[in-house]
Amino acid sequence: NAGVTQTPKFQVLKTGQSMTLQCAQDMNHEYMSWYRQDPGMGLRLIHYSVGAGITDQGEVPNGYNVSRSTTEDFPLRLLSAAPSQTSVYFCASSRTGGGFTDTQYFGPGTRLTVL
Amino acid sequence: KNQVEQSPQSLIILEGKNCTLQCNYTVSPFSNLRWYKQDTGRGPVSLTIMTFSENTKSNGRYTATLDADTKQSSLHITASQLSDSASYICVVRAAGNKLTFGGGTRVLVKP
Repeated sequence: NAGVTQTPKFQVLKTGQSMTLQCAQDMNHEYMSWYRQDPGMGLRLIHYSVGAGITDQGEVPNGYNVSRSTTEDFPLRLLSAAPSQTSVYFCASSRTGGGFTDTQYFGPGTRLTVL
Repeated sequence: KNQVEQSPQSLIILEGKNCTLQCNYTVSPFSNLRWYKQDTGRGPVSLTIMTFSENTKSNGRYTATLDADTKQSSLHITASQLSDSASYICVVRAAGNKLTFGGGTRVLVKP
């Protein structure tokens, strides 16, 4: 099992550009989510999905879109990058979103810089 | 508002020594608390999970405690090793599955 994979590992964008951060998992997990991690702050939930075809907003969804066409993939799209979106982005998955002891497995992260 | 506060923000310890990290939370209603270890440049990895009825749980040299009455948890690292250098994140799950993440404690173990 590769677990949760993310690409790219690093990315530099100019303000206004768009891009897609890729996330895939091979554990047949129903629940997937995207977080951003900023210095000194806890991980913040951007969007999540409880299964293919179902997505919902998290704590900080503005400026980001997601879709979930398959169980395995959960891409995160930045529509028009802004310097405030400079951050490290983590994708995570768990067996279900409802099992209260479900373990979340995190990807290695994508470090994004917006100039 | 649900909050998770961790202390200290960072600490430096000598290899072989012990240390204790603190986590205070105001999450309610409480479901469980999990400690993650995050190596530099990597995603967080779960160390241990504590439910309401558990006071202590160990995972090798890591021992977590939970006092649900005072809403405090600690993570004790025994006989630290260089590989323990990492950030440690406390995450509290509320009933209803909402997660609140602490800001983490960065630990540096020096030889």
